[in-house]
Amino acid sequence: GAGVSQSPSNKVTEKGKDVELRCDPISGHTALYWYRQSLGQGLEFLIYFQGNSAPDKSGLPSDRFSAERTGGSVSTLTIQRTQQEDSAVYLCASSSARFSGGRDNEQFFGPGTRLTVL
Amino acid sequence: QKEVEQNSGPLSVPEGAIASLNCTYSDRGSQSFFWYRQYSGKSPELIMSIYSNGDKEDGRFTAQLNKASQYVSLLIRDSQPSDSATYLCAVNRDDKIIFGKGTRLHILP
Repeated sequence: GAGVSQSPSNKVTEKGKDVELRCDPISGHTALYWYRQSLGQGLEFLIYFQGNSAPDKSGLPSDRFSAERTGGSVSTLTIQRTQQEDSAVYLCASSSARFSGGRDNEQFFGPGTRLTVL
Repeated sequence: QKEVEQNSGPLSVPEGAIASLNCTYSDRGSQSFFWYRQYSGKSPELIMSIYSNGDKEDGRFTAQLNKASQYVSLLIRDSQPSDSATYLCAVNRDDKIIFGKGTRLHILP
């Protein structure tokens, strides 16, 4: 079946511009996660959705970052007034998690969007 | 103490030998434990999950969990050059998965 898809795969933008990154999770997965990974670094958690609501936004680095999810499916991560330090690979993952502790927590990742801010 | 700790490596292992990757975690309430493999320039790929104490084997991979010691490990038998990658340990905290920073594994031909 289809996995997690993300678009665009690459995005080059100028400092100060806004960007939108899209994630389409595995069909039926209720949980959706956004991460950021800078070159040679670990995964940095940004935000988590359960259905359309975001119980945990604790990882968003600043108020320039926002995300939404509609219809319990596609999610968009928006970065306003991009800065050079926003350059990274943005990864989306989904799982069927409805509660903690079980197999539902298995997350499956999309291919990522490589964002370069000039 | 970091929530999920891994040695960053690189860990160099001769081809055909056993690679042993270790991870410790801080939340005693964690119940789900995962190992992901990430090749350079690619996204993480789930290779093993384990939920109860003991060993779980899948092909050349064995995950080991010791909740009392808050320790989870991954053994790779008969290591191959294609196993060279970064291995991420991940542990649940409530509905969130916390990732370690990963261990770089290099299999020497």
